[in-house]
Amino acid sequence: GAVVSQHPSWVICKSGTSVKIECRSLDFQATTMFWYRQFPKQSLMLMATSNEGSKATYEQGVEKDKFLINHASLTLSTLTVTSAHPEDSSFYICSALMGDRINQPQHFGDGTRLSIL
Amino acid sequence: DQQVKQNSPSLSVQEGRISILNCDYTNSMFDYFLWYKKYPAEGPTFLISISSIKDKNEDGRFTVFLNKSAKHLSLHIVPSQPGDSAVYFCAASILTGNQFYFGTGTSLTVIP
Repeated sequence: GAVVSQHPSWVICKSGTSVKIECRSLDFQATTMFWYRQFPKQSLMLMATSNEGSKATYEQGVEKDKFLINHASLTLSTLTVTSAHPEDSSFYICSALMGDRINQPQHFGDGTRLSIL
Repeated sequence: DQQVKQNSPSLSVQEGRISILNCDYTNSMFDYFLWYKKYPAEGPTFLISISSIKDKNEDGRFTVFLNKSAKHLSLHIVPSQPGDSAVYFCAASILTGNQFYFGTGTSLTVIP
């Protein structure tokens, strides 16, 4: 149980393109989802917390207009990287919390490798 | 400000021996701690957790120890297997919040 599916797993696109990444909880409802970014040999950097039916909470330094997050249902959150540039190339990972249960681990998707040419 | 720290970026252990991965934190409000395992190009996989009311939690070959006074936790893997080779992240959170704080990871290599 507690499967999180992230799609696509790898994207290569030209500079200026907008890219949408989907994060789905397959067998549970996720009130809260998280979006992380990971640079090579570095830790997971939290970008934003996505709550179903409300606006995402962005971490300091993360551009809201650049990284659009939509959490329209209890099983789906999307991250859209708008007008992507080479510096946006990174590994993006989503995670989900099961319902509103406390003291539960985050369940992660397999990540999306984004390469901007 | 890194609230969760893993000071050893890498660790090598012989197969069959014990692997000990360490993690320190600074925020005394943290009351839930987790370990994740990550392979390259994959998302982290939850391994084991512990709440602050305990000082030890065991699951098969994996045991997590929590020393609240020292703000330190460790993950013991025994016996270590080559398939355990991965990057291990510790994480901490506060009961009333949703945010998890991750360490920088320790790359474990188990040598056959």
